[in-house]
Amino acid sequence: EDKVVQSPLSLVVHEGDTVTLNCSYEVTNFRSLLWYKQEKKAPTFLFMLTSSGIEKKSGRLSSILDKKELFSILNITATQTGDSAVYLCAVAGAGSYQLTFGKGTKLSVIP
Amino acid sequence: NAGVTQTPKFQVLKTGQSMTLQCAQDMNHEYMSWYRQDPGMGLRLIHYSVGAGITDQGEVPNGYNVSRSTTEDFPLRLLSAAPSQTSVYFCASSFFPGTGNEQYFGPGTRLTVT
Repeated sequence: EDKVVQSPLSLVVHEGDTVTLNCSYEVTNFRSLLWYKQEKKAPTFLFMLTSSGIEKKSGRLSSILDKKELFSILNITATQTGDSAVYLCAVAGAGSYQLTFGKGTKLSVIP
Repeated sequence: NAGVTQTPKFQVLKTGQSMTLQCAQDMNHEYMSWYRQDPGMGLRLIHYSVGAGITDQGEVPNGYNVSRSTTEDFPLRLLSAAPSQTSVYFCASSFFPGTGNEQYFGPGTRLTVT
């Protein structure tokens, strides 16, 4: 059974801080790991990491994948109040039609 | 291009009632799925479909039925609602099932069963 564990479950930081969110996983025949941001609505896609793309960056957000140690991190630099959300990590195994999600990390950025 | 749409946005049911949550996508995606989201539980897969006429169970299928008669539509039926089914339901779709490609989510349906 595939498994995704995210830590911490919640985090409160001040604007301007840098945060690191963690995602460890167990999956049969890893294919990809995805990060989503969820505000008070549907999740929106941030990054997908695969064996051929283990590092992604978009503005202040970046993510790396460590396939040997089976984890990924999501970094957010110079945080803003608009970064406040639940960040979800999910994994897909080769030959599987399913994504397995973690419980999410709730990030609160205070002014 | 509306993306993934869901109706209704909110619904209150009494225990034992049945209803159908509607989901439609206009992106010609092969893969569609239903998730439920409960506080502190993340997203859990209920049922999914890899094409018209093909459906399969996810992690938490009990109490729910699905069908896929067209590429566009993937309704979720609650057969006899129970308070344990109080949740937020999300429909999602994507290309290339099983490759981990980005899933597009609908806006969600908040269901309360009393």
